[in-house]
Amino acid sequence: GAVVSQHPSWVICKSGTSVKIECRSLDFQATTMFWYRQFPKQSLMLMATSNEGSKATYEQGVEKDKFLINHASLTLSTLTVTSAHPEDSSFYICSAPAGMINEQFFGPGTRLTVL
Amino acid sequence: GDSVTQMEGPVTLSEEAFLTINCTYTATGYPSLFWYVQYPGEGLQLLLKATKADDKGSNKGFEATYRKETTSFHLEKGSVQVSDSAVYFCALIQTNFGNEKLTFGTGTRLTIIP
Repeated sequence: GAVVSQHPSWVICKSGTSVKIECRSLDFQATTMFWYRQFPKQSLMLMATSNEGSKATYEQGVEKDKFLINHASLTLSTLTVTSAHPEDSSFYICSAPAGMINEQFFGPGTRLTVL
Repeated sequence: GDSVTQMEGPVTLSEEAFLTINCTYTATGYPSLFWYVQYPGEGLQLLLKATKADDKGSNKGFEATYRKETTSFHLEKGSVQVSDSAVYFCALIQTNFGNEKLTFGTGTRLTIIP
C-alpha cells in the first residue's frame, strides 16, 4: 500500500519560534495532501488542503499566516507553524489520497510541544 | 453537508467479549466508508473499507457492512483482545464528486481489560 511519512515525529520548541513539519508520499505522487490537527482525546480537525503548484486551501477558522503550507513537489508538503505558542501544542497529521477511490493514507503524525 | 455520527465512548470490555461500535452517516451521493484505528501515540491506520452498498469490509477479525437503507457502517468483532485497545474512527469520502476530503466521526476509545 501507499506509504506516507512525516518528519519529525516529535518536536519541542520555545514560544515564539517557528517549526516546520514535512509530509512525504514515499511511493506515489500526490497532487493533494491534507493537514489535520488532533487534540487529546478528540477527533481530527482538517486544517487545510495542500495543492501542488498552487496555494493551499484553508478550512474556516484556521489562520493561514500562522500555519504556512507549501506543496513543494508531488511528494512533499510542509506545514510551518510560525511564532508558535503553547496553544499550538498538538498532534499534527498529514494524509494523501491514492488509488481508485482516493483512499487516504496517513502519516504517523508529529507531536508538537511549545514551551 | 456530509456527517458521520459515532457511538460515544469510552467503551471498556473484557477480553474475548463481543464488540459493536455504531456508526451512521449522512451524505448525498454514494460515499465510500472507512474505519480507521489509532493506537496510542501513533497515526491513523486504515482498518477496513467498503465502497458500495452491501459491501462487507473485514480485517484482523473486524467486520463492517455498508447498509445504505439504514445509512450505517457498524464495526463488529466477535472476540476482542487487549491489543485491540485503541481509538476507532468511522469516516466517509465522496468519491463521485471529486472531493477527496474525509469526513470523520468523533472517534470511540476502546479499552480491553484482561
